[in-house]
Amino acid sequence: EAGVTQFPSHSVIEKGQTVTLRCDPISGHDNLYWYRRVMGKEIKFLLHFVKESKQDESGMPNNRFLAERTGGTYSTLKVQPAELEDSGVYFCASSQGGVQPIAKNIQYFGAGTRLSVL
Amino acid sequence: AQSVTQLDSQVPVFEEAPVELRCNYSSSVSVYLFWYVQYPNQGLQLLLKYLSGSTLVKSINGFEAEFNKSQTSFHLRKPSVHISDTAEYFCAVIGSSNTGKLIFGQGTTLQVKP
Repeated sequence: EAGVTQFPSHSVIEKGQTVTLRCDPISGHDNLYWYRRVMGKEIKFLLHFVKESKQDESGMPNNRFLAERTGGTYSTLKVQPAELEDSGVYFCASSQGGVQPIAKNIQYFGAGTRLSVL
Repeated sequence: AQSVTQLDSQVPVFEEAPVELRCNYSSSVSVYLFWYVQYPNQGLQLLLKYLSGSTLVKSINGFEAEFNKSQTSFHLRKPSVHISDTAEYFCAVIGSSNTGKLIFGQGTTLQVKP
């Protein structure tokens, strides 16, 4: 069974450009999460999808970030326009939806996308 | 709200020596606790978890952690480390209410020296 897959593994863009990150969760996982680690700091939650619906987007930094999960399968995270402070590693995680409370569903992480904004 | 503190950013240790990576948390509600590990050039992998039951949890590669509610700690230990244990270790919590938001500590880099 394939794990959580993220594309690209590394992206280098200039300030003001647009970048789209993609995450393919483990097949059948209803929950999909995005996290970010800015250099030297802790990994921080961005948002949580349950199927195609945004359950919690309290961690999204600002309106330059747009996440989608059309059809409840893969997800994209678009940054437009990118700023220098957006640099970091973006992680995606997925978990099954069958256990309550939701916190008991173990999250499986992808390898991350390293974003460098110059 | 929850928070996690990993007191050591780097822990150097010689091969076959014991190690403890410290993790303290704060929360106004019950929590579930996790340790994740990131080996060089790889993604995060779940190392072990505490959801309920026995407060001592163990991984398949010799690590163990003990949930101490009174001290709000979840320290990670291994009696004898290997070179291959060199990695960054993250402690994380989730409040037991209906949220999937993991709260991470700052990470501890374990450097095992020959």
